[in-house]
Amino acid sequence: AQSVAQPEDQVNVAEGNPLTVKCTYSVSGNPYLFWYVQYPNRGLQFLLKYITGDNLVKGSYGFEAEFNKSQTSFHLKKPSALVSDSALYFCAVRDTRQGATNKLIFGTGTLLAVQP
Amino acid sequence: EADIYQTPRYLVIGTGKKITLECSQTMGHDKMYWYQQDPGMELHLIHYSYGVNSTEKGDLSSESTVSRIRTEHFPLTLESARPSHTSQYLCASSASGRSRTGELFFGEGSRLTVL
Repeated sequence: AQSVAQPEDQVNVAEGNPLTVKCTYSVSGNPYLFWYVQYPNRGLQFLLKYITGDNLVKGSYGFEAEFNKSQTSFHLKKPSALVSDSALYFCAVRDTRQGATNKLIFGTGTLLAVQP
Repeated sequence: EADIYQTPRYLVIGTGKKITLECSQTMGHDKMYWYQQDPGMELHLIHYSYGVNSTEKGDLSSESTVSRIRTEHFPLTLESARPSHTSQYLCASSASGRSRTGELFFGEGSRLTVL
């Protein structure tokens, strides 16, 4: 079955340190991959996406993500964390095979806590 | 910023009341979705629509109903609210077509509390 896994419920990092939020997926073919961020009492905001091409994609707020097809991973990264990055992060995948639905499959979310 | 709006943002009501959560988008998107988000954070798709007069139930069973009479409007209704309906409800939309990559644009959410 198609799925997206975010193995960490919470990631803690000190301000100024690099951060990584992990995501792996189980979708055949060449799926599209997305990261979203959710601040408290807000909707989800689109951060970045991988469609094709360069495995390192850059997005909003200094975030980037690295696509690794052999490991079926799409980890979110930032070189230097800010306290304001503290939020809930969702990975999502879209199956692009013919006949697949247009629905995004979301991971369960990872809470990022950046300590000052 | 995406142009998708949800009202009300917060609602506290008593058991048995009928409520409608409004969702409107000005992007001309064919596809619209309702997600329910529990305090445990996970998103659950409860309804979606791929166009006017087209609605489908999502992956999580819900007692709510939806309608899609106009492209831009996708309201969600609970005929008789119960405390188990207490949750955050998120509306989203996406563009269709072969050139589209399918990312969703979300509203700010409607937080419903049923007493």
